[in-house]
Parts: sequence; C-alpha cells; structure tokens
Amino acid sequence: KAGVTQTPRYLIKTRGQQVTLSCSPISGHRSVSWYQQTPGQGLQFLFEYFSETQRNKGNFPGRFSGRQFSNSRSEMNVSTLELGDSALYLCASSTDRDRGSSTFGSGTRLTVV
Amino acid sequence: KNEVEQSPQNLTAQEGEFITINCSYSVGISALHWLQQHPGGGIVSLFMLSSGKKKHGRLIATINIQEKHSSLHITASHPRDSAVYICAVSRNTDKLIFGTGTRLQVFP
Repeated sequence: KAGVTQTPRYLIKTRGQQVTLSCSPISGHRSVSWYQQTPGQGLQFLFEYFSETQRNKGNFPGRFSGRQFSNSRSEMNVSTLELGDSALYLCASSTDRDRGSSTFGSGTRLTVV
Repeated sequence: KNEVEQSPQNLTAQEGEFITINCSYSVGISALHWLQQHPGGGIVSLFMLSSGKKKHGRLIATINIQEKHSSLHITASHPRDSAVYICAVSRNTDKLIFGTGTRLQVFP
C-alpha cells in the first residue's frame, strides 16, 4: 500500500513569501501530524489534524497554520516566511485506534533565502 | 533540561559490533518510539513500545517504565545501519516529543 506522500520534496522561497506544503496520508489513516526539523532545534511538533479538525498544536507562531480535507489529505501553510523557517517539514499519519504508531513521509525541504 | 535525552550523540562502530543507544525521559508517557532517519530526511518508525522488549531482525528495543529508560540495540551491525536514531515519547496523543538523536556510523 502507498506510503505517506509529501509534495513538493524541495522548495526555495524568499523572505516574506508564503508557502503551502501538502501531505497525503496512508489510505485509511485519518490522523495527520506535522513536524519541523532544524539543525538547531531538532524535531518539533507543529500540529495534528483528525477528521478535518485540529486536535493538537505545538508552540509555533500563528504564521504556521494547517488544514485537513475530507479525504484526510492535509496542507500546512507558512506565511511571511523568515530565514529561520528553513527546515525539513515532515508529516506523519496514523489510525485513530493506533495513535502514536505513525508512518512518516519523506519530508519537504524548505529553504528560505 | 530536555524531556527526552539520548546518549551518545555520535557513535562509530566497526561492522559486526553490538551497538547500544540509550534514551531517558522525564515525563509520564503512553509509549516510546524509536525512529531511524537516513540522509535525505525520510523517517522510518522502528518500534513503538510501552513495556518490556521488542525484536525485529537485528534490532532489539527495551523499556523500563519505572526507571524511565529505554535502549535500542543493534546486533551484528552493518554499514547500512548508518543513520540517525531518534527516541521519541508520546502521551496519549500523536504529539511526539523527540530526543536530539544519535548519529551512528558503521564502517566496513
């Protein structure tokens, strides 16, 4: 069965722009979580969506937002990009019954210049 | 102090050696996860455990809930095991709290 698909794989944006990243979970997985990985901070939780509702949120500014569609696909958006937003953004999906047993995507590497 | 601490940060080994990576945590958890990240970024979930021990091939993960400690062992290590190994804990949600990772290099 297909894994978690993230698009695009690589992205270069300039400061002040906004960006939208996409995550298609494994078929049947209704929970999608997003993570940011930077060399300085490591992996940090951004937010989790389940059934189109944000169920959990990490400590990130309001410039970071997300949404989930009825087919469980999720997008995250970062507005007014800053250089420090350069990171690998990972999404992971899981079933609600087996929460915590997540399958990760390959990530989107965002570079802000 | 981080809620999840890993040691060592970096590890080099010769092919065939037995490897141990340690993880300690300071919060109550529902499960502990061991993840593997290869260059290029993709993360693979190796184990999720809440008690005892799990084995998959050459990999063994153990957890001691009372001591808030887990270990990941790799037997007969191989260069393809070279990766970053990340310990993470979850608390009844999908929010994972991560350790800083252990970078393992196995040389032939």
